[in-house]
Amino acid sequence: RKEVEQDPGPFNVPEGATVAFNCTYSNSASQSFFWYRQDCRKEPKLLMSVYSSGNEDGRFTAQLNRASQYISLLIRDSKLSDSATYLCVVTISGSARQLTFGSGTQLTVLP
Amino acid sequence: ETGVTQSPTHLIKTRGQQVTLRCSSQSGHNTVSWYQQALGQGPQFIFQYYREEENGRGNFPPRFSGLQFPNYSSELNVNALELDDSALYLCASSLGGGKNTGELFFGEGSRLTVL
Repeated sequence: RKEVEQDPGPFNVPEGATVAFNCTYSNSASQSFFWYRQDCRKEPKLLMSVYSSGNEDGRFTAQLNRASQYISLLIRDSKLSDSATYLCVVTISGSARQLTFGSGTQLTVLP
Repeated sequence: ETGVTQSPTHLIKTRGQQVTLRCSSQSGHNTVSWYQQALGQGPQFIFQYYREEENGRGNFPPRFSGLQFPNYSSELNVNALELDDSALYLCASSLGGGKNTGELFFGEGSRLTVL
């Protein structure tokens, strides 16, 4: 079983749609949680951290459920520029910034 | 841009050969991590260097080795290349110590093809 599992995708949605990505992690010692974004043939970049209380950054909302070991990302009012692969990421306490990535979910926003 | 530079950007090797990939970290960052990203997969942690010492290693065989230099730049060496080593190799820099913010600054990667 993979340590971090994501929706297989790909997701193809029209502009303006709301899309949700799900992610589960297997290690209950996981301490920190993030969503990274990776554009085609580019490097991953931090999109947002995920906090236990849930957090929002503009059109993006992240949720964490530690009991279910589940993380989500909601994108509202999708833009063409949101097209990318979204990577769910966890770290384990004491891992010195060793990030464990999911395989990613590809999103294409269509005009 | 992240300020992390990697070289070469692309290279082709044959099975059994050795390769050295290079990374210059973002100014002021003393920690460098290396990740391997196979096609269609997320990056996988290889190892991390902090102040010239290895500071964490993922599930990779000993033929994957590295160095960090006093200026915090780094090298990844892979010996006895196998076909499955074909991947994008990403270098990421961060500032060691303090709170783990989870933000790594990645370079654009070195794409290795092993034939």
